[in-house]
This record gives sequence, structure tokens and C-alpha cells, in this order.
Amino acid sequence: NAGVTQTPKFRILKIGQSMTLQCTQDMNHNYMYWYRQDPGMGLKLIYYSVGAGITDKGEVPNGYNVSRSTTEDFPLRLELAAPSQTSVYFCASSRPGQGPSQSNTEAFFGQGTRLTVV
Amino acid sequence: AQSVTQLGSHVSVSEGALVLLRCNYSSSVPPYLFWYVQYPNQGLQLLLKYTSAATLVKGINGFEAEFKKSETSFHLTKPSAHMSDAAEYFCAVSADSWGKLQFGAGTQVVVTP
Repeated sequence: NAGVTQTPKFRILKIGQSMTLQCTQDMNHNYMYWYRQDPGMGLKLIYYSVGAGITDKGEVPNGYNVSRSTTEDFPLRLELAAPSQTSVYFCASSRPGQGPSQSNTEAFFGQGTRLTVV
Repeated sequence: AQSVTQLGSHVSVSEGALVLLRCNYSSSVPPYLFWYVQYPNQGLQLLLKYTSAATLVKGINGFEAEFKKSETSFHLTKPSAHMSDAAEYFCAVSADSWGKLQFGAGTQVVVTP
């Protein structure tokens, strides 16, 4: 079972360059998320999607863009990379839960992409 | 809005000793609470979750957590630590819609022989 797959695993970017972090899931989950993890800060939500064609900002969206053309894929685009974007990026997916908020559901995480901007 | 506070960024325990990781939450609505574990160079894996069915929740690898509404806490425990428990542990809350998670800062657990 592949689950959530992220590529690449590591990347070094120069300031001002751009790149796309790829994320794909094979569990037919409606919900997908991008988080960044910084030491001592936990994980912060960048963007999320509740289905193909629907995306919305999370807590820290500046400097990033996303798209969701299929259920399986949710790429994260960095334009004009900055040192502040040095981080570990995690993609996750889940299915709708039960109850009014539908949030009592487990998220499945990829193995992460470690990005350094120099 | 909801938030999560984990007390202690690093915890060192002896093999066989009790593991206790503290998590307090704030939420304006009844929350869903989660504990995730991250092993080195890995993604996060669900340990257990509270979804209001029972206040004492059992998870994988011998971990359990108790939801205490009066204390707004969801502390994680394991009676006897094993070397393989060395990892970073994250408490998270989801009271908003769409399964979005708010994470605590994490607690690094070191297990000594």
C-alpha cells in the first residue's frame, strides 16, 4: 500500500528559484493538506483541499500556491523561494469524518520533503 | 479558535519507566483530539484519537490517553517505556471543519537503558 507519496525527499534551492513539491495519494481521500514543520513549532497548515477543484488557505499560505485537478494529486508550488521557506513539508490526506464538523478522522501523512533555500 | 499546548519539549525516561506526555487544549466547541508519533526521518503516524465515544482512549504500541474536560487536558501515557518509543510526539486538535489540525509544538522522547 503506497498511501501518501511525496517527491522529492530532499531539495536545495537558491533564493528566487521556484519548484513544485509533488503529492499523490491512492486511498481515494477527498481531503488533502500541506503542512510545514519547523523545529519547536509543530506543524502549521499551509493549504488544504476538500475535493478536486477546491482549495483554501491555511494558517501560513504566503509564498505558496496549490492546485487540485484530480482526487489523487495535490502539488504545492513555491514561487521565488526565500530562506524563510527552509522547512520540512508534509502532505496528508483524510476522508470526511462523522458529525457536524466531519473532523474526527485520521490523517495519513507522507514521509516529507526536506527543503533548504540558500 | 482552538490551540494546543504541550508541556515539555524534551522528556527523558528510563527503559521500563512510565511515559507521561502532557497536552492541554483550548477550544470553543467540543474538540476532537489526536496524538501522533514521528520517528526519525518519517512522516506522522496516528497513535490514538478522542472523538467523544469514551474518555479513556487506547492506542497502538501500548499507549493510552485520558480526556478530562474539566482540566482541558488529553495527556498521553504508557506504563513501561521501550527503546523503540524514542520519537517525537505531537498532540493535535480539530474542532474546525474539514479535518484541519492544529498541532502542539511536539515533545521529543529519549529512552535510556
